[in-house]
Amino acid sequence: GAVVSQHPSWVICKSGTSVKIECRSLDFQATTMFWYRQFPKQSLMLMATSNEGSKATYEQGVEKDKFLINHASLTLSTLTVTSAHPEDSSFYICSAQPRTGYRDTQYFGPGTRLTVL
Amino acid sequence: KQEVTQIPAALSVPEGENLVLNCSFTDSAIYNLQWFRQDPGKGLTSLLLIQSSQREQTSGRLNASLDKSSGRSTLYIAASQPGDSATYLCAVIKSSYKLIFGSGTRLLVRP
Repeated sequence: GAVVSQHPSWVICKSGTSVKIECRSLDFQATTMFWYRQFPKQSLMLMATSNEGSKATYEQGVEKDKFLINHASLTLSTLTVTSAHPEDSSFYICSAQPRTGYRDTQYFGPGTRLTVL
Repeated sequence: KQEVTQIPAALSVPEGENLVLNCSFTDSAIYNLQWFRQDPGKGLTSLLLIQSSQREQTSGRLNASLDKSSGRSTLYIAASQPGDSATYLCAVIKSSYKLIFGSGTRLLVRP
């Protein structure tokens, strides 16, 4: 149980295009989902906290107009990188916090590797 | 601002050796601390979660300890195996459930 999926697992796009990444909790409902970014050989940095039915909360330094987050249901959050540039190339990982039960744990998705040419 | 540091950054050991990975954090007001494993190009696998009221957690060959007052946690791996080779990340959890990650320790266990 407690599986989180991400789609796509990898994507290559041209500079200036937008890319949408999906994060789904497959067998549980998640009130809160988190989006992280990881550059090569670096650790994960929290980008934003996404709550179902409300606006996302962004960490300092993260452009909310560039990284659009939508949490439309208790099992799906999406991250859209708008007008992507090569410096946005990174590994994006989401996590989901269960709505009920043991809420101390976050379950992580397998990640999406974005390469912007 | 909470900062999480992991030492060493990289470690190479022969198979069978016991080893210790270190994690330190600057703000002791944490909710929980969690250790993860990350294989190259993959997501995270949770290894152990220590609640702030606990001192340690054990799972198989892994043992994690937490000393909040000194801002330290250690992950002990007994009888290391080549399959243990990965990057190990510690993360402190604030009351808002946000995770703040350390920079990781890249472990290589040589056959």
